[in-house]
Amino acid sequence: GNSVTQMEGPVTLSEEAFLTINCTYTATGYPSLFWYVQYPGEGLQLLLKATKADDKGSNKGFEATYRKETTSFHLEKGSVQVSDSAVYFCALNRNDYKLSFGAGTTVTVRA
Amino acid sequence: NAGVTQTPKFRILKIGQSMTLQCTQDMNHNYMYWYRQDPGMGLKLIYYSVGAGITDKGEVPNGYNVSRSTTEDFPLRLELAAPSQTSVYFCASSKTSLSTDTQYFGPGTRLTVL
Repeated sequence: GNSVTQMEGPVTLSEEAFLTINCTYTATGYPSLFWYVQYPGEGLQLLLKATKADDKGSNKGFEATYRKETTSFHLEKGSVQVSDSAVYFCALNRNDYKLSFGAGTTVTVRA
Repeated sequence: NAGVTQTPKFRILKIGQSMTLQCTQDMNHNYMYWYRQDPGMGLKLIYYSVGAGITDKGEVPNGYNVSRSTTEDFPLRLELAAPSQTSVYFCASSKTSLSTDTQYFGPGTRLTVL
């Protein structure tokens, strides 16, 4: 079946540090891949997505590239801010509109 | 647009009590979903609906029921609350069934069963 494995947290960084959160997936066919972010006390919101191999999703300084050969969709940001403190979820949607989520990675950025 | 709204935000239940979690969306989306989020775990799909009058089970449906009488509303019913149902519940919606489509989430309901 479909599954997503995320880097375990929590991750604590200083402002302006480089952030990487690893995400790998198992799925048949060609799923779409998503990163959702959950800020404290809020629901999930879409951060970025990629719908086919080699696509790069980007938003708010975050990037992730859909790598079919390594079944990965790692999230990166070059210079994090305190406002980036949140829980980040990697997710996939195969072809049945039902999302499969990773366990989430808690990121804390210190000033 | 308010997007996806959920009520209540917080609730404490005693074992065996029942309650309904409300979910409403104003985006005219056909597809709606209920997820639960347990600590350190990803979201698990409880039930989903592809349109008014049509619902189906997700990964973890036991102990829950849903109905979808209108496009806008998708309530989740807990009949006999159990401690294992302590969780944060999220409702979501999407416009299409395409795998590329984004799901929009509500702010969540934090439920504790004691």
